[in-house]
Amino acid sequence: QKEVEQDPGPLSVPEGAIVSLNCTYSNSAFQYFMWYRQYSRKGPELLMYTYSSGNKEDGRFTAQVDKSSKYISLFIRDSQPSDSATYLCAILGRDDKIIFGKGTRLHILP
Amino acid sequence: DTGVSQNPRHKITKRGQNVTFRCDPISEHNRLYWYRQTLGQGPEFLTYFQNEAQLEKSRLLSDRFSAERPKGSFSTLEIQRTEQGDSAMYLCASSSAGSLYEQYFGPGTRLTVT
Repeated sequence: QKEVEQDPGPLSVPEGAIVSLNCTYSNSAFQYFMWYRQYSRKGPELLMYTYSSGNKEDGRFTAQVDKSSKYISLFIRDSQPSDSATYLCAILGRDDKIIFGKGTRLHILP
Repeated sequence: DTGVSQNPRHKITKRGQNVTFRCDPISEHNRLYWYRQTLGQGPEFLTYFQNEAQLEKSRLLSDRFSAERPKGSFSTLEIQRTEQGDSAMYLCASSSAGSLYEQYFGPGTRLTVT
């Protein structure tokens, strides 16, 4: 079992819809959870991080961690065409290394 | 711009040649990381430095790969005797030791080995 699993998509939604992106992870000891956004042929950009369980909100973005089910989510409200990108979930694993999911390709249709 | 920078942005080389990439991290960050990313995959950890010390290398980093950070500032990643399987995006990131989860990435160097 991989340490972080993420559905690669693609996921296509109409502009203005709520987007839900999800990942699962294997090790209950992980405490830091991150979401990165990556536009085509660019480096990943840190969107948000969450420590332990709970929600964190930043503008139209909400990150959620459910440690009991080892499930992490990113919600995007009022989605815009500029949100079209690949979204990578990530965890801070053993030995201070970040472990990334494969990324989900998101298309927001105007 | 005070973000992470990488040079060159693109590199095309023939199999068997050596290549070297450079990364300039955010100036106040003492940790520097190298990752490799192939199409449809997330970045995979290669190695990292704290200041000038290389603290860990992934099993992915064969003996053809070497990385340095001589003065604890910029870093170089060299690949000797390149192979077609080395074609990938090579990403550099930096963080402060107190915020390991906040890694900031550069734009990457895209390597194509023909």
